[in-house]
Amino acid sequence: GAVVSQHPSWVICKSGTSVKIECRSLDFQATTMFWYRQFPKQSLMLMATSNEGSKATYEQGVEKDKFLINHASLTLSTLTVTSAHPEDSSFYICSARSVGVLNEQFFGPGTRLTVL
Amino acid sequence: GEDVEQSLFLSVREGDSSVINCTYTDSSSTYLYWYKQEPGAGLQLLTYIFSNMDMKQDQRLTVLLNKKDKHLSLRIADTQTGDSAIYFCAVLNSGGGADGLTFGKGTHLIIQP
Repeated sequence: GAVVSQHPSWVICKSGTSVKIECRSLDFQATTMFWYRQFPKQSLMLMATSNEGSKATYEQGVEKDKFLINHASLTLSTLTVTSAHPEDSSFYICSARSVGVLNEQFFGPGTRLTVL
Repeated sequence: GEDVEQSLFLSVREGDSSVINCTYTDSSSTYLYWYKQEPGAGLQLLTYIFSNMDMKQDQRLTVLLNKKDKHLSLRIADTQTGDSAIYFCAVLNSGGGADGLTFGKGTHLIIQP
């Protein structure tokens, strides 16, 4: 099946710093990538939809100036958590939809962010 | 918007069948998915079913869809210790191909020896 990678797999940072998380589709082109956030023992919440070459669409309640998303190519999307605070600590998971398969999303392994 | 509900826990004996249930609210849902998440890991797609199907079987997995009742279930035959995980039901609505999925809260499957 299609493979999606995320980097880093975990990161610890100080409050006030910015953290960038990369999501890559390794063996397919993804016109659309999604970013989800998962709190401990809770479900995934969609944060934003990222389309290659255009601005991301954010879900209600997600601050677009805090969670910057860039989808510069068909294989790479990045999520930057700006001025991170402890409440931003979470598990961030991306998924990618390939060009040819409209309704199947392939998920990355996730990035554990801990803000001290 | 869409609301997806699952029970939080299911405990079964090793070797028995597990049935994980899910209900959703949006009748325009097109694709319905089951994902597996092991501790500390991302999501693994187990199977999915299109809304015009009633059943889909894939080895030990059987998905049943009751569109009238908006009820989806995942049956795992001959449950093994390796099946211990959280199982998420997820729904794709027909609002457009770019929409993300709506997930249930996940069902913790606990295997008793």
